[in-house]
Amino acid sequence: EIVLTQSPGTLSLSPGERATLSCRASQSVSSSYLAWYQQKIGQAPRLLIYGASSRATGIPDRFSGSGSGTDFTLTISRLEPEDFAVYYCQQYGGSPRTFGQGTKVEIK
Amino acid sequence: EVQLVQSGAEVKKPGESLKISCKGSGYSFSTYWIGWVRQMPGKGLEWMGIIYPGDSDTRYSPSFQGQVTISADKSINTAYLQWGSLKASDTAMFYCARLSSRGWSSAFDVWGQGTMVTVSS
Repeated sequence: EIVLTQSPGTLSLSPGERATLSCRASQSVSSSYLAWYQQKIGQAPRLLIYGASSRATGIPDRFSGSGSGTDFTLTISRLEPEDFAVYYCQQYGGSPRTFGQGTKVEIK
Repeated sequence: EVQLVQSGAEVKKPGESLKISCKGSGYSFSTYWIGWVRQMPGKGLEWMGIIYPGDSDTRYSPSFQGQVTISADKSINTAYLQWGSLKASDTAMFYCARLSSRGWSSAFDVWGQGTMVTVSS
């Protein structure tokens, strides 16, 4: 099983700042089959990024994904008030599919 | 509009059985994998398993194999998650979600609203 470790656990930032979230895999994720999701309190998760770097439909361009192999990054270039949420990475190249434990982005 | 609508919240006693549902609309239900994701109170997301409604091919995470059953009825565009004997530790929010492409190596692009299952004596 591929274990995904996200860091930091919590990121305290102000609106307008840049957020950098990390997701490290215990083994290489084939074909960059890595996704990022955003979850707000009381809501279902929402797909942001798939294939490590492709934005899902309707996702603003302030969200970007990068990385390959075992190290992946989600960057939010300038935080908007609605971006404060929990973010999860997920790999879909190995079996079983797995999620990271999440990074909470909170208002400083 | 592509949508997944889940059945309502459930409150059950330990040992009882349960089947929750996820109805798809706005797309060809039979040709996209549907998965289930567990979120225990205050915790993260856990991938449980997926099913291809077209032929009921099912894949489980080892953590959930034998603990739940995933099924689908393509004639009514509905997927199911069921338990034979609930435990208190099954208390969680359960989401269904669609894989974004017809192969199973893809991300979840459409999510249901979630079904809260509470198991308490």
